[in-house]
Amino acid sequence: DAMVIQNPRYQVTQFGKPVTLSCSQTLNHNVMYWYQQKSSQAPKLLFHYYDKDFNNEADTPDNFQSRRPNTSFCFLDIRSPGLGDAAMYLCATSKGGRASDTQYFGPGTRLTVL
Amino acid sequence: DAKTTQPPSMDCAEGRAANLPCNHSTISGNEYVYWYRQIHSQGPQYIIHGLKNNETNEMASLIITEDRKSSTLILPHATLRDTAVYYCIVRVGNYGQNFVFGPGTRLSVLP
Repeated sequence: DAMVIQNPRYQVTQFGKPVTLSCSQTLNHNVMYWYQQKSSQAPKLLFHYYDKDFNNEADTPDNFQSRRPNTSFCFLDIRSPGLGDAAMYLCATSKGGRASDTQYFGPGTRLTVL
Repeated sequence: DAKTTQPPSMDCAEGRAANLPCNHSTISGNEYVYWYRQIHSQGPQYIIHGLKNNETNEMASLIITEDRKSSTLILPHATLRDTAVYYCIVRVGNYGQNFVFGPGTRLSVLP
């Protein structure tokens, strides 16, 4: 009965080689988020989708892109990963549209850049 | 920037109540307080949230001061599995896009 699923849980890529992380949800939530969490730091929001409406945080590097082909799936694309992009990437979802809107997180994908 | 401040770490004896404080002195009238926790290498887990009134669920209780400038998360009978980083978040925005995590409190439950 997993609600927010992230695959793979661990991903290894090479410096500069594009990588895609995936997230799916069974909650039928309108909003999907991607966070980056570096070692010993708090999660940091990269961007989110409200339905098909993409919202980028101002300080998210251009190297990070996202796609949401349908309600259930959302992808994080890193076009040219650098060593500094090694982190845990967290996907979250919420219903949206209310002042009280709980986010539900997936287990995360830990990205290693060699 | 996060709108909350929390102590960086706390210890609690197993079986005792763990009381985790959070200051949010700039909170606005329609902003909710959320608590999450993150056990090592896992995704953040929702615990509880509230606006004005105290809240309780199967995991914890949330006590919000009358002026709403601070709150306390209470784990009534802490277990070793409650060892985690606890985040207090004041949510801004219409649908939570500005969930800004502060550094949180690292709670260690000791046997």
